Amino acid sequence: GESVGLHLPTLSVQEGDNSIINCAYSNSASDYFIWYKQESGKGPQFIIDIRSNMDKRQGQRVTVLLNKTVKHLSLQIAATQPGDSAVYFCAENAGGTSYGKLTFGQGTILTVHP
Amino acid sequence: NAGVTQTPKFQVLKTGQSMTLQCAQDMNHEYMSWYRQDPGMGLRLIHYSVGAGITDQGEVPNGYNVSRSTTEDFPLRLLSAAPSQTSVYFCASRGGTAPNSPLHFGNGTRLTVT
Repeated sequence: GESVGLHLPTLSVQEGDNSIINCAYSNSASDYFIWYKQESGKGPQFIIDIRSNMDKRQGQRVTVLLNKTVKHLSLQIAATQPGDSAVYFCAENAGGTSYGKLTFGQGTILTVHP
Repeated sequence: NAGVTQTPKFQVLKTGQSMTLQCAQDMNHEYMSWYRQDPGMGLRLIHYSVGAGITDQGEVPNGYNVSRSTTEDFPLRLLSAAPSQTSVYFCASRGGTAPNSPLHFGNGTRLTVT
């Protein structure tokens, strides 16, 4: 079946650097994408989302880019801080009759060194 | 506003025992769902509900039952626990009927079946 995957399972950066976390998806019918952050012992926390009719969306220190041509999603975190250390998941909604059924990637571990 | 509340936080069961994982949300969300999270597998959908009295199966429903008698509560029942059900379980909810809105997660129940 269709799945969402991540290119890099781990990412280590220095505090203050920019971080880029990538995600590949294979379902061309997906119409909505979300990035989640999960800290140890907690549930996933919503960061930012984007619909398929957009190619970029910005939040506070975060930007999501969507390239539908190559089915690629990325999360950019500006001026990364130690508090950003967590596992980051992308998720897609396949649209159509797949109402509400988000498919999650396996996650990327982001480690920020002070 | 507590969001999504899951109880218990931790549980140990013997094979064959039954139990109910509780989930409650105070955001008046119509949509609720249960996921399990296993290492290397990401989050997988077990069951979901689009409103009181309506439930449906997700990707991995076997061994689990759900009911939705109220908008607020969505319990997950394990009828006869098996070691393969050792996992972290997350309940999530979403407001409105549109799929293009993020899920709000609880902090999880860590279940061990011996």
